[in-house]
Amino acid sequence: GAVVSQHPSWVICKSGTSVKIECRSLDFQATTMFWYRQFPKQSLMLMATSNEGSKATYEQGVEKDKFLINHASLTLSTLTVTSAHPEDSSFYICSARDGREKKDEQYFGPGTRLTVT
Amino acid sequence: SQQGEEDPQALSIQEGENATMNCSYKTSINNLQWYRQNSGRGLVHLILIRSNEREKHSGRLRVTLDTSKKSSSLLITASRAADTASYFCATGRTNAGKSTFGDGTTLTVKP
Repeated sequence: GAVVSQHPSWVICKSGTSVKIECRSLDFQATTMFWYRQFPKQSLMLMATSNEGSKATYEQGVEKDKFLINHASLTLSTLTVTSAHPEDSSFYICSARDGREKKDEQYFGPGTRLTVT
Repeated sequence: SQQGEEDPQALSIQEGENATMNCSYKTSINNLQWYRQNSGRGLVHLILIRSNEREKHSGRLRVTLDTSKKSSSLLITASRAADTASYFCATGRTNAGKSTFGDGTTLTVKP
């Protein structure tokens, strides 16, 4: 089956620093990747849609200058949280759609837990 | 905005009992997926049902979809303590690509 990995699985950083999270599709080409965030005991909220080779589309209320998304290849998308603050502490999950066939399924990564101190 | 709404928000049952969770949505969809999430962990895909399907089974899971009522249900039969988790429905629309998640149902199965 399709596998999506994320790295790191957890990260602790100091306030004001930047953190990069990687999302990789391991056995398929992902023309589209999605980034979600989840606060404790809440649902997943879509942050942005990332298409390979083009700029990401951000959901309303998500600061594109704070959450930099790069989808430089068909198997890798990165999310960089710039100048992180404690309120950015959250669980970040990516998902990917298989671009080879017209599939509807999204394949989710295991998530990255970010803690900003 | 969230499209899916699950109910109940929380469900507590004894091991061996069946658990039923419902999901309602607002707009037309192409498919609906159910996911499980253990506390602090990532999502586990359970089942996908397409808009032209009414029922689907996978092991102890049974999912129904009623597009006229814009609702879906997830039934877990003969529940186990290991089924304790949060369950989310996510609606997919082909042109939109992305899935929209509901608020989730927290299931507790007591041994």
